[in-house]
Amino acid sequence: GAVVSQHPSWVICKSGTSVKIECRSLDFQATTMFWYRQFPKQSLMLMATSNEGSKATYEQGVEKDKFLINHASLTLSTLTVTSAHPEDSSFYICSARDRLPTKQYFGPGTRLTVT
Amino acid sequence: AQSVTQLDSQVPVFEEAPVELRCNYSSSVSVYLFWYVQYPNQGLQLLLKYLSGSTLVKGINGFEAEFNKSQTSFHLRKPSVHISDTAEYFCAVTETHNNNDMRFGAGTRLTVKP
Repeated sequence: GAVVSQHPSWVICKSGTSVKIECRSLDFQATTMFWYRQFPKQSLMLMATSNEGSKATYEQGVEKDKFLINHASLTLSTLTVTSAHPEDSSFYICSARDRLPTKQYFGPGTRLTVT
Repeated sequence: AQSVTQLDSQVPVFEEAPVELRCNYSSSVSVYLFWYVQYPNQGLQLLLKYLSGSTLVKGINGFEAEFNKSQTSFHLRKPSVHISDTAEYFCAVTETHNNNDMRFGAGTRLTVKP
């Protein structure tokens, strides 16, 4: 089946620094990518949706200047958490969808801890 | 907008017992429905999905779910669970005309005991 990878799988950073998370679709072209965050013992919350070559669409309440999303190619999207703070600590999961709207695949997630 | 309610936050069962994880959805238009499983510190793995056609959907690992439009439900079942089925299970829904907006339920923690 289709595979989506994320890198890194976990990262610890100091407050005030920026962190970039990569999401790659390994064997298909992802026309649309999604970024979710998941707090402990909670469900996934959609942060933003991005189409290749276009600006991301952010969900209400998500700061677009803080969570920078770049969908530079059909196989790569990046999420940069700028000026990270401890409250940004979370599990970030990306998802990629190919041209068929019902085939959406999830990455393994990235655990971000901000100290 | 569509929404999903998972009625049980935790379901403990003994090994080899049957299990049902309940999911109800709300939408004014036609939907696609999904069940995902999440193991600790991992992403989501698709168990099964309902797009159209037969209301009984069979998925991986022996799971199945039945779409009931009149009851707006999509309950997940397995006739005999294993220890390895211990995980978090999420029901999700998208509207057929807007696949970009997948909404997840709060999740059900299935714990299989020996």
